[in-house]
Amino acid sequence: SQQGEEDPQALSIQEGENATMNCSYKTSINNLQWYRQNSGRGLVHLILIRSNEREKHSGRLRVTLDTSKKSSSLLITASRAADTASYFCATVSETSGSRLTFGEGTQLTVNP
Amino acid sequence: DVKVTQSSRYLVKRTGEKVFLECVQDMDHENMFWYRQDPGLGLRLIYFSYDVKMKEKGDIPEGYSVSREKKERFSLILESASTNQTSMYLCASLGRPQNSPLHFGNGTRLTVT
Repeated sequence: SQQGEEDPQALSIQEGENATMNCSYKTSINNLQWYRQNSGRGLVHLILIRSNEREKHSGRLRVTLDTSKKSSSLLITASRAADTASYFCATVSETSGSRLTFGEGTQLTVNP
Repeated sequence: DVKVTQSSRYLVKRTGEKVFLECVQDMDHENMFWYRQDPGLGLRLIYFSYDVKMKEKGDIPEGYSVSREKKERFSLILESASTNQTSMYLCASLGRPQNSPLHFGNGTRLTVT
């Protein structure tokens, strides 16, 4: 069954604005990862946050994790048209070993 | 950089055909995965393998089998293709430590007519 659920399903913003995507999950996790997928391509890893971490940064990306609420958010600051893509969260549960469970993704459109 | 290569970007097959989807990774990763991706359903795990000749069922293994004879190659087999197996198939690999990201191939879009 799907563990992560992204919200919103689709987001459309203007270049320069910030984009925030949320992910909720159901079971206890070892880590949570965010991936990006350009249309018709494979997924590319963006950032991994461990269950004992609360916030992580990578360039224009900021990820937060709230294990008490079983939720995470991905913030993309100063968005660009090239950020247009689908974004997925994926979780590794405490009992799943190396298996990742993906949500359905958020389709982000950044308008020039 | 890790490279995961899927042999075909697009494939069209007929109902009832036996279909092989091939995936090769060049980083000596132990773990390999096959997902399918459908609109509104996200990525669903079909099978995975954590070592040569080892395989585990994922969430939707019905109608599929896999083969891992060599560490670098993980094949997905559709024994008798059906139209409901029309989908995007994504292969991924994972090395150690297990708190590592997946590396994906570019996907194979399979159409079964």
